[in-house]
Amino acid sequence: EDQVTQSPEALRLQEGESSSLNCSYTVSGLRGLFWYRQDPGKGPEFLFTLYSAGEEKEKERLKATLTKKESFLHITAPKPEDSATYLCAVRSLETSGSRLTFGEGTQLTVNP
Amino acid sequence: ETGVTQTPRHLVMGMTNKKSLKCEQHLGHNAMYWYKQSAKKPLELMFVYNFKEQTENNSVPSRFSPECPNSSHLFLHLHTLQPEDSALYLCASSHRGNTEAFFGQGTRLTVV
Repeated sequence: EDQVTQSPEALRLQEGESSSLNCSYTVSGLRGLFWYRQDPGKGPEFLFTLYSAGEEKEKERLKATLTKKESFLHITAPKPEDSATYLCAVRSLETSGSRLTFGEGTQLTVNP
Repeated sequence: ETGVTQTPRHLVMGMTNKKSLKCEQHLGHNAMYWYKQSAKKPLELMFVYNFKEQTENNSVPSRFSPECPNSSHLFLHLHTLQPEDSALYLCASSHRGNTEAFFGQGTRLTVV
């Protein structure tokens, strides 16, 4: 069974204070790992897809990296508008071709 | 026009009512999903449709009845729900296979 564990559950940063969020996963063959951002009361917003170990993707202050067991979302010099819950999800080769398994998310708060 | 549109955004219903949630995608995708998001829990997959055919039912109670008349529309028919069914219901779509899923804004359902 696919499993995704995200840490920490919550993270509070000062504006400009860089940090990283962790996503550890267990799958029988990774088809893809996905990062989403979710604001309160809204649907998740797609950020990145990573397919293989060593791959990196960047968007503004965010950078996602992938190893064979985990992924990191690095946030450089965050701003208050980066406050949100960040979700990690995986799609495996073993399960249905479409199923995404999500972690519980990391709630990020950036104080001005 | 946003990519994935859900209506209504908010719904309050009694336990004896019958209501339907609607989802429409304008992205040309061929897979559509229903997810349930409860407080402090990961997104929980309910149903998957590929090319209008249901390919996954994640042991969802029969009081939830999905319908997918075509690749662009997805419904979730609700009847005799319980208070514990109160949650954010999210619709998503993707190309089948490795690609990312795009989510709607969700329907906040409250069962009284």
